[in-house]
Amino acid sequence: DAKTTQPTSMDCAEGRAANLPCNHSTISGNEYVYWYRQIHSQGPQYIIHGLKNNETNEMASLIITEDRKSSTLILPHATLRDTAVYYCIVSLAGNYQLIWGAGTKLIIKP
Amino acid sequence: DAGVIQSPRHEVTEMGQEVTLRCKPISGHNSLFWYRQTMMRGLELLIYFNNNVPIDDSGMPEDRFSAKMPNASFSTLKIQPSEPRDSAVYFCASSIRTGKETQYFGPGTRLLVL
Repeated sequence: DAKTTQPTSMDCAEGRAANLPCNHSTISGNEYVYWYRQIHSQGPQYIIHGLKNNETNEMASLIITEDRKSSTLILPHATLRDTAVYYCIVSLAGNYQLIWGAGTKLIIKP
Repeated sequence: DAGVIQSPRHEVTEMGQEVTLRCKPISGHNSLFWYRQTMMRGLELLIYFNNNVPIDDSGMPEDRFSAKMPNASFSTLKIQPSEPRDSAVYFCASSIRTGKETQYFGPGTRLLVL
């Protein structure tokens, strides 16, 4: 599986859009980009995933560049409850092995 | 849906004691995962079951660790004997094996071995 690179930490003001970048320059054509988050003292929570096209659900939007070497997770209106560690994972479809890096610690400030 | 259920939520035990962690996956999910999370090593996959059969246990640290899944709605992770270095948060996760793996995690069991 391709390796990902994420910033260690980020801040965002409450109510603003939080944009979390992820680099995955060695991604292969059939690997998906997954995003999970882990709120303090809870289990990781699935957010969204995509292959090539941009994706949106009730939690977030995922923007994948055309060359697929990077992506951005967008939380459109961040709230204090969005403070968490966000993990960007690249994995083959159907691959149960998710390689969890250190993620990005996102702090939403009032 | 109740989500993945784990028990106990917290466990404090003494070195050498047996510890049993329990997990009930989401109904209808046929894949189950046990993970361990520590500050030093992050989130590590210990074992993966599919249709109640262990598929990959390469992450199990040593013979002191064992996991079972007697049926589709229950799994255990046992540590015998426990050691202080086993102190960690243990997560159970389940998924529907559709080819696009989305894993749903339980709240975890925080284990402290004294």
